Parts: sequence; structure tokens; C-alpha cells
Amino acid sequence: IAGITQAPTSQILAAGRRMTLRCTQDMRHNAMYWYRQDLGLGLRLIHYSNTAGTTGKGEVPDGYSVSRANTDDFPLTLASAVPSQTSVYFCASSDSAGLTGELFFGEGSRLTVL
Amino acid sequence: GQNIDQPTEMTATEGAIVQINCTYQTSGFNGLFWYQQHAGEAPTFLSYNVLDGLEEKGRFSSFLSRSKGYSYLLLKELQMKDSASYLCAAMDSNYQLIWGAGTKLIIKP
Repeated sequence: IAGITQAPTSQILAAGRRMTLRCTQDMRHNAMYWYRQDLGLGLRLIHYSNTAGTTGKGEVPDGYSVSRANTDDFPLTLASAVPSQTSVYFCASSDSAGLTGELFFGEGSRLTVL
Repeated sequence: GQNIDQPTEMTATEGAIVQINCTYQTSGFNGLFWYQQHAGEAPTFLSYNVLDGLEEKGRFSSFLSRSKGYSYLLLKELQMKDSASYLCAAMDSNYQLIWGAGTKLIIKP
């Protein structure tokens, strides 16, 4: 089934540890995004990539990094996790960078930093 | 600044009609989106409006007034499975989506 796969589904992490959230899509979409979703707040964009080989900063990029070595994969890394990074993380993709706007989301990764 | 406002929670009765409002302020405007998100799941696309007026898609309709910075999502013949959060998002001049916090819709029998 075509779509976006995120891993892990959930993770409990000690503060200061490094963590990579994986995201893979098989729809050959050019654009990919990482959002975090916190209770009472709208989805907030962390980083995005309009095409393989390029990345950009979103609204809340601090403490996170991404890479886009190929079309399908867009991992998000927390270099040194802090409790404020406890959140649900969604990876998403679209078939053109913003022009249509319809995003396809992964099922989310629930991260708890203690 | 950029801002999206929508009610936090609404309650409606099965079989009835409910309207979820959204107001937006963005730097430029390239369209208004509605997504549905069931608890513990990913958001899924419902509708996109870029021109003024009403777009109907089955039991769901979405309306846009660009001059008023206003949109609504209309759900008819409510079913229990419609219990979910409804996310409003406006696309700004840089084609970035600005998201509201979502409206939790509770359907009662």
C-alpha cells in the first residue's frame, strides 16, 4: 500500500540522548515535511524539503536537523533531546512543493523525553 | 503576525448539521485547507478552497470568503464516525501552511 511510513511509532528517551525519527514515502513526492503536534497548538513545521538534496527551516527548527539524500527518505534527528521536545511528530509529503497543498501524513511518532 | 482561530470544541447530535468556523490572518493567501484527524491518527485531507464560495463534496462542504478572512466546514447528516478534530490551515504567500489548533467535534447519539 502506497503511503508514508514512520518509525518508531513511540519512544521514551532520556534527556541528552540522540534520536533519529525515520520517514519513508513510496509515492515519489518531491516535497516532504516534519511537523510536531502539541496539545492546544496547531501543527508546527520543523523542517521541510522541496526536493531531494535541499532542505529548509520551518517555524521551530532549533534542536532538530534533517537530511534528504534521496526522494523517498527524510529522517529527523534530535542531536541532544530535551523534555520540551516531548511531542507527536508527523512526517508528510506532497506531490509539488506547496502548489496544491494537499499533504499526506504518516501515522506519527510519539516521543517522550524524560 | 499570522494567526488561525477556530473553536476548541463543539458538540452535535447524530443526524444533525454542524458548522465549524475558521478565521485567518496571513501574509498573502494561497488557499484554505480543512483536514480531519481522528484521535491518535494522522490528519487526512478534506477540502481546499482558493476562490470565494462553497465547495460541496458529499456530506461535507467548505466555504471561503477571502475579503473576510473566513471559512467554514459544514458537515451534514452527522454520523458517529465524524467524531474527530477538524484542522483549518491557510497557505501564505510563501506556500507555507499556517495551522489552527483544531476543533474537537463530539457527536452524541
